[in-house]
Order: sequence, then C-alpha cells, then structure tokens
Amino acid sequence: DTGVSQDPRHKITKRGQNVTFRCDPISEHNRLYWYRQTLGQGPEFLTYFQNEAQLEKSRLLSDRFSAERPKGSFSTLEIQRTEQGDSAMYLCASSLPGEETQYFGPGTRLLVL
Amino acid sequence: GEDVEQSLFLSVREGDSSVINCTYTDSSSTYLYWYKQEPGAGLQLLTYIFSNMDMKQDQRLTVLLNKKDKHLSLRIADTQTGDSAIYFCAESMGTGTASKLTFGTGTRLQVTL
Repeated sequence: DTGVSQDPRHKITKRGQNVTFRCDPISEHNRLYWYRQTLGQGPEFLTYFQNEAQLEKSRLLSDRFSAERPKGSFSTLEIQRTEQGDSAMYLCASSLPGEETQYFGPGTRLLVL
Repeated sequence: GEDVEQSLFLSVREGDSSVINCTYTDSSSTYLYWYKQEPGAGLQLLTYIFSNMDMKQDQRLTVLLNKKDKHLSLRIADTQTGDSAIYFCAESMGTGTASKLTFGTGTRLQVTL
C-alpha cells in the first residue's frame, strides 16, 4: 500500500488564476477528507466525501472552492480566481469505513502571488 | 464550540523524556489523536485514544487522558533528534461514522544534543 498521494506537491500561481489539486486515497478507503493548513496553524477541515458523495462542507469553503470525487476513488479540489489568502498547504486524508483514524498525504503547498 | 490548545514550543535534551500537553473543550469528543509533522511534510499518525480510556502505551509513546479536566498528554521516552518536529493533538466526535478532526495549533519539539 503506497499511502495517500497528492499532486502536485507545490504550486505557484498568480492571483486570479484557477488551480486544481488531486488526491489519491489509500486503496479501499471510502472516506476522503480535505484540510487546509496555513503557516503556524493546525489543519482546518474543508470537506469530506464518503464514496462519491460530498457529505459535509466547512464554512471555510467559499464559492470559489469546489471538490469532486466522481468515481469514489481519487478526488480533486479546484480553487477559482485564487487570492493571496488562499496560500496554504492543502492536505488530503482518507480512512476506512468503521475506522476513526485518518491517514494524511504529503500535501500540496500553494503560493498565490 | 470546539477548541484545542497546545503550548507552542518545547525543548528537551536527547535521551530525556518529553511531555507535550493539550487541552480541549468539547466534552463529547470520542477520539483524541496525536500527529507528527516534519518540515514541509504531511501529518503522520502517531497514536490515538478512545475517550473511555485513561492511558495508552505504544513503545516509547504514552498517552494520558484526563477526561474530567479535558487534558491530553503525550510522553515520549528517550527522546531522539529524529523526534524533532511539530506535534498536533486533534479531537473528533466520531460515532461510528466519519468525523472531521479539530486540531490544535501544534507544539514544536526541539531536541538538543
């Protein structure tokens, strides 16, 4: 098992551009989570999927953010019209049904200039 | 509401024990976790404890939970330089279904020779 993977690991973009991140969970993990971590802070929950259904979204997830998990496997997180305040590490985690432990990927570090 | 607090910094000498503390406010927390984050990396799950337990030991790691005081601690025995990292405690209200994690701000552990 290769663990949770995320792509890209780093992204630099200009304000106003759109960016998309991908997360591949651990095989057979039907739950997938997105978190955002800003410098010096702990991760904050953004959204959660069970299979392909998006079951919960944080108020942090503005209209410019959209997440999908079309086939219940990998997930994408898109940020439209990026702002400097979107600069952060975006972390993905997955878990097995019935288990409360979440396993995190290495993260995608976004810098908006 | 949910709030998890940690001290920001701890410095210990190699070979000594480290104790990292965390307080949380939500008494309905069912699971409490310790994660480790090395520079530029994602979060590594170290250990977790169910809220009906007082203590859990796993090799060099000992977790103590005082539910009355809403206090969680992580003791690392024989601390090594490789233990230098940021340690996050987190809580969830898992009830057999998936639950988001609420993280503290992290404690930076520095291990000196």
